[in-house]
Amino acid sequence: NAGVTQTPKFQVLKTGQSMTLQCAQDMNHNSMYWYRQDPGMGLRLIYYSASEGTTDKGEVPNGYNVSRLNKREFSLRLESAAPSQTSVYFCASRPDRGINTEAFFGQGTRLTVV
Amino acid sequence: QQPVQSPQAVILREGEDAVINCSSSKALYSVHWYRQKHGEAPVFLMILLKGGEQKGHEKISASFNEKKQQSSLYLTASQLSYSGTYFCGHEGGSNYKLTFGKGTLLTVNP
Repeated sequence: NAGVTQTPKFQVLKTGQSMTLQCAQDMNHNSMYWYRQDPGMGLRLIYYSASEGTTDKGEVPNGYNVSRLNKREFSLRLESAAPSQTSVYFCASRPDRGINTEAFFGQGTRLTVV
Repeated sequence: QQPVQSPQAVILREGEDAVINCSSSKALYSVHWYRQKHGEAPVFLMILLKGGEQKGHEKISASFNEKKQQSSLYLTASQLSYSGTYFCGHEGGSNYKLTFGKGTLLTVNP
């Protein structure tokens, strides 16, 4: 099994450009998450989806939009990239929320906005 | 709101013990612990649930004090492979979002 797959792995954007980070899981999980990781800040939750068709804001949602396209896929969109969005982005999935389940993480997307 | 971890960093010699603490300001359903090696994704270590149930995969123990909303991760007889950044995560409240702390960098030297 591939687990959680993120694409692309690396990306350089110019300020103001838009892009979509893709995330897909093949474990039939209900919950999916997007986090960003910056030095000294840990993992900060951007958006969360408890199930197909639902999304909810996390701690740092400004500047991002998400789409839960189906049960497998959860994409993160930057409409107008800013240098402050330079970060490593992780997607994660869990079988369900609020239950004894661990999160499985993708390998990350390293995004640089210049 | 992120859980608060302490210490921020710790350096050990192989064979020594360490404790990493995690505290939250809200009522919790569960506490998660993950380890991340440099340049890699976080990997699950343990879940502690309200009521005392635990689920883990490695020879690492942890505690969860529900009254104080605090958890501690105990690393005993540390090995070089224990090096990495340890994150605690919590979920609670009405949405059960999984949010993480800023991490504790653990370095184990020979």
